[in-house]
Amino acid sequence: DVKVTQSSRYLVKRTGEKVFLECVQDMDHENMFWYRQDPGLGLRLIYFSYDVKMKEKGDIPEGYSVSREKKERFSLILESASTNQTSMYLCASSFHTSGLTRHLFGPGTRLTVL
Amino acid sequence: AQTVTQSQPEMSVQEAETVTLSCTYDTSESDYYLFWYKQPPSRQMILVIRQEAYKQQNATENRFSVNFQKAAKSFSLKISDSQLGDAAMYFCAYREDSNYQLIWGAGTKLIIKP
Repeated sequence: DVKVTQSSRYLVKRTGEKVFLECVQDMDHENMFWYRQDPGLGLRLIYFSYDVKMKEKGDIPEGYSVSREKKERFSLILESASTNQTSMYLCASSFHTSGLTRHLFGPGTRLTVL
Repeated sequence: AQTVTQSQPEMSVQEAETVTLSCTYDTSESDYYLFWYKQPPSRQMILVIRQEAYKQQNATENRFSVNFQKAAKSFSLKISDSQLGDAAMYFCAYREDSNYQLIWGAGTKLIIKP
């Protein structure tokens, strides 16, 4: 059963801490995405990667960085967590091909920053 | 810039009845793809149905169908014979043919009344 997994379902951190969120996919997908989901705002793209060591900024990259050292793993880093980064974080992956290729999502990480 | 609008933050329907969720989008492109995703409570986001803009025929997947009106830039989702398991957040998304990124609506919460 193909899947996308995220390192934690729930995470509580303190302001100023460095936070790592990890995402792993086993489908050999080229593309990987990190989204932030907030009520009434839908999904907002933070960063995406279309290949190993490649990354592109999304709509809201400020305060975040990413790392993709291996094809199957895409990490989101909050260098110094702040309370306004309390949110649900969703990872997704997809094939390179255009057309009707779909996103496959992980279960999400609900991050609370105190 | 492309935008996706879901004007109904919440909808409710009696079990076994039919409900339609609305989605409009703004684009100047002629080739693109549209998607409906479902996010059940505390569960992963999954694809419900997808549509190529160049196809006039509306996509259907069992009880789920779309009403795609390209000129009006409208892409509504119809759920027939609603079931309790259909209760979820539903997100409409748009993607250009030449782009990996999805543009998301804010979502509609669907409540099924038993």
